[in-house]
Amino acid sequence: GQNIDQPTEMTATEGAIVQINCTYQTSGFNGLFWYQQHAGEAPTFLSYNVLDGLEEKGRFSSFLSRSKGYSYLLLKELQMKDSASYLCAVRDTKKVSWGKLQFGAGTQVVVTP
Amino acid sequence: GAVVSQHPSRVICKSGTSVKIECRSLDFQATTMFWYRQFPKQSLMLMATSNEGSKATYEQGVEKDKFLINHASLTLSTLTVTSAHPEDSSFYICSARDLRGREYNEQFFGPGTRLTVL
Repeated sequence: GQNIDQPTEMTATEGAIVQINCTYQTSGFNGLFWYQQHAGEAPTFLSYNVLDGLEEKGRFSSFLSRSKGYSYLLLKELQMKDSASYLCAVRDTKKVSWGKLQFGAGTQVVVTP
Repeated sequence: GAVVSQHPSRVICKSGTSVKIECRSLDFQATTMFWYRQFPKQSLMLMATSNEGSKATYEQGVEKDKFLINHASLTLSTLTVTSAHPEDSSFYICSARDLRGREYNEQFFGPGTRLTVL
């Protein structure tokens, strides 16, 4: 089986930093993705990690530890437009269809003035 | 980046009718497309993997006779919800992988189709 856990909701003020954690258990691993999804819209790609370490992309950074089955997405200098759901997704190599993603339930980030 | 479109964006239908949703990759060829369903405040649940020229692979618990998938070309996959019922009301999203020299092979998502069955 495969479990992906992330917090349901986080609240932070504009300009602050928020860290969204994601833990996973998978039979095979070929990358972890973070997506941003605004209400009623499709997810948009934020980041990808396949090796251990930190990937930085502007205000967003993502970290991966494969041995711990753990990732986090760090959002810096929060802006009101960052209020959205953030989805952690794992790509599993053992599945029949290569490239299939399993999504976590998403973390709703609420940015307050 | 790669662009994926979906049509229609919103559909309301009566119970018992069938609804077809199209998913197109606009600027790339997609041998594999994925269909997801998302209920309010829940995450995306993969329904099936659509492979061009072959039968779709359905996830456990998804009825293949109810959710018909056709991947007739490298740029088009369709999902038909047959004999729709109110419990089928949901947000349906497709995605496609663009394999053109992309390290990540990430999935690009369509804008989604909001289905409401009365």
